Amino acid sequence: KAGVTQTPRYLIKTRGQQVTLSCSPISGHRSVSWYQQTPGQGLQFLFEYFSETQRNKGNFPGRFSGRQFSNSRSEMNVSTLELGDSALYLCASSLGQGPNYEQYFGPGTRLTVT
Amino acid sequence: AQSVAQPEDQVNVAEGNPLTVKCTYSVSGNPYLFWYVQYPNRGLQFLLKYITGDNLVKGSYGFEAEFNKSQTSFHLKKPSALVSDSALYFCAVRLAYNTDKLIFGTGTRLQVFP
Repeated sequence: KAGVTQTPRYLIKTRGQQVTLSCSPISGHRSVSWYQQTPGQGLQFLFEYFSETQRNKGNFPGRFSGRQFSNSRSEMNVSTLELGDSALYLCASSLGQGPNYEQYFGPGTRLTVT
Repeated sequence: AQSVAQPEDQVNVAEGNPLTVKCTYSVSGNPYLFWYVQYPNRGLQFLLKYITGDNLVKGSYGFEAEFNKSQTSFHLKKPSALVSDSALYFCAVRLAYNTDKLIFGTGTRLQVFP
């Protein structure tokens, strides 16, 4: 079974631009979560989607948005990029919601904002 | 507020020796606790979890963790360390039963020397 895939793996953008990151969960998984990982702030929760509905949102500005499609694939968008948005963005999927279901993480998209 | 603390930024251990990576938590209600490992340029890999039941939880790659409610700790252990165990380890807590949102600790870098 293929794991969680994230595209692109690496991305370089300029301040002020916008970016869209994609996450394809493991086949059959309906829950997708996104996290931002930086050296300074560590791993921080961005969003959680289940069956196309946003169930939770982290403490990030409105420039960060996301969505989930009917096939469970998810995208996140960051508009008006800032230097501080440079990070590794991780996506995780699970079969269902709740602690009985492990979350499987993708390799991440490393975003560099210059 | 729910939180997780990993008091050691780095743990050094000789190959073949036992290792312990510490984690303490602060949650209201039942804690759902997890350990993940991250290798360079990779996403997070699930090691083990505590939901309920036995305080000693066994996980992948020979790792185990002991849940201690009175000390609010969930330390990761392995009887005999391998050089290949060298990686970044994260402790995390899930906030509620019906969400996948994880609160992560700051991470502990484990260095196993030959």
